[in-house]
This record gives sequence, structure tokens and C-alpha cells, in this order.
Amino acid sequence: QVTLRESGPALVKPTQTLTLTCTLSGFSVSASGMVMSWVRQPPGKALEWLALIDWEDDKYYTESLRTRLTISKDTSKNQVVLTMTNMDPVDTATYYCARIRVDTSGSFDAFEIWGQGTMVTVSS
Amino acid sequence: DIQMTQSPSTLAASVGDRVTITCRASQSVYDWLAWYQQKPGKAPKLLIYKESILESGVPSRFSGSGSGTEFTLTISSLQTDDFATYYCQQYRRYPFTFGGGTKVESK
Repeated sequence: QVTLRESGPALVKPTQTLTLTCTLSGFSVSASGMVMSWVRQPPGKALEWLALIDWEDDKYYTESLRTRLTISKDTSKNQVVLTMTNMDPVDTATYYCARIRVDTSGSFDAFEIWGQGTMVTVSS
Repeated sequence: DIQMTQSPSTLAASVGDRVTITCRASQSVYDWLAWYQQKPGKAPKLLIYKESILESGVPSRFSGSGSGTEFTLTISSLQTDDFATYYCQQYRRYPFTFGGGTKVESK
């Protein structure tokens, strides 16, 4: 069964660094054609794409948060990790990891599998 | 960034109704458009990708169409399980962007 599970702190203080982990089951983060992404959703608001990492370790970030985000893979643990520095209350959100489908031409497609999300509150 | 604008933001409908949700892109995304369904407290679920291709396991009452900048999600006969919020998303260009969502609620 293919699943994703996010984990991380439920509460962080302003200016701290957030580290979130997405643990993959049923498939390998190092497999060819594997693309993983992070998306967040503030309470009552829309979804916001944050970052992705592909099977060649290429990384892409949303420009507005580029300087604060780092996405990486831990192949030994079959995990994808997102760090976000200098957290602010506006970063309070549910953070999701998702697997991006790759089509037959090698192009990135839709977000086909999602984790259940982890809620992060930023407050002193 | 490509802006995705959904309308309406809220839609009241009854079981059996035909429901149509519109999504407009600020520039052409060709057919690189997906639709997701999200229920309260749950992760989004992929319904349609490449503008009109139904994801495996998704009921055939859902359909998608479009023309590069204007896209439509249609539910042919609304079921109880379909009351949820729906999001469109373009993945033509970075950053991938989502619409603001359309909440389908009971009339």
C-alpha cells in the first residue's frame, strides 16, 4: 500500500526553524521518476505549493519562500524533509507532502498521492 | 506567477443537481490542469488531471473540460458524498498554483 505520513512539531516559536518529515511507504524515494512535493494550507484558506524534489535531486521552490525553504531526501530512511527557517505566525498551517505523477514523456503531472497532513502552529 | 481564479467561491446545491465550477488561468496552461476534492480535516484527493482525464477510482459523474485559460469541473448528478471543497491547480509553470477553492454545500 502506498502511503505518505508527515511528522514534525505541532508548535514552534517565531524565528525558529521548522523541520518536517514525510515518510514514504510502499515505494522508494530514490526510485527513478519519483517526484515529491510539499504543500501547505493555512486554516480556512487555500492550498499553497512550496517545493519539490525529483529523482535526480533537482529542487524547485516557490519564489516567495525560496530563501527560507530547503527540501531534501534521506534515502536510508525513505523520507523527504522540508526545513523552513525564521518561522512566523503567518506560517501557521497544515503541511502536506504529496507525490507528483510523472507522465510517459517525463513531464511532471498532478499530485496523485497525499499524506494526511500535519498541523503546525507558530506562536510564542 | 499564474493566477488561478475559481468561481463561485460557494455553491449551494441539492442531491441530484448538475453542478459546474469554473477555473480561469491568468495565462494559458494548455491542458496542465488538475482538480482536487477536499473534505474538512482531510487531505486533497485528485479527481481529474490533464484537464479532462478521470483519476482511477473516481466516479464517472465527475468530468473536466477546458480551453487553455478557462476550465470547468462538472458533477453530473450531485451525491451526498460530493459535498466538499474543490480546487483547481495548474502545473504548467513554476510555481504550481491553486485556485481559491469552491465549497459545495447543501441547499
